[in-house]
Amino acid sequence: DAKTTQPNSMESNEEEPVHLPCNHSTISGTDYIHWYRQLPSQGPEYVIHGLTSNVNNRMASLAIAEDRKSSTLILHRATLRDAAVYYCILRPTGTASKLTFGTGTRLQVTL
Amino acid sequence: DGGITQSPKYLFRKEGQNVTLSCEQNLNHDAMYWYRQDPGQGLRLIYYSQIVNDFQKGDIAEGYSVSREKKESFPLTVTSAQKNPTAFYLCASSTYPLTQNTEAFFGQGTRLTVV
Repeated sequence: DAKTTQPNSMESNEEEPVHLPCNHSTISGTDYIHWYRQLPSQGPEYVIHGLTSNVNNRMASLAIAEDRKSSTLILHRATLRDAAVYYCILRPTGTASKLTFGTGTRLQVTL
Repeated sequence: DGGITQSPKYLFRKEGQNVTLSCEQNLNHDAMYWYRQDPGQGLRLIYYSQIVNDFQKGDIAEGYSVSREKKESFPLTVTSAQKNPTAFYLCASSTYPLTQNTEAFFGQGTRLTVV
């Protein structure tokens, strides 16, 4: 499976935008880019996904580089409830998709 | 409400005992997954099942066993052969065949402590 690389941790002030980067230089042409987040002591939850075009939903925006070798999850106004570990995942083609997670980025949000 | 339920939330066992973690979903999903998470680490895949009566080993299957007799249930047994069983265990489900638009739904996890 193609690998993703994320910074171990990031910090943000409340009410400010946060840009969480993800590198996936070995992405294949039909891999979707998915983001999940995990709040403390909970299971991960889906945030957003995309293929080539930028995507927006009520939780976040996803900006995908033109060459698709990187992407950025954007939280427009971070709140304390956004403090979590954010995982960038590639969904490979084929029927044996294992849904593999990396170590993610731990986001700290301060007042 | 539709969702995925893991029980119990906390589980304590003595070393050398087998223990079974429950995972039930009412989302009508065909695919189910088990992950292990150690403190400060990401999720590692133990087993996954794409259809009833079929399952595949993930990256760290040694010392674990699963069954998939019903679509809605995917129990995980942590056997005495697992060297370091204390961890946070997460179950997930998704539709199958996996389209690339498929999102996975996770349970709230079971924290297993072996003493």
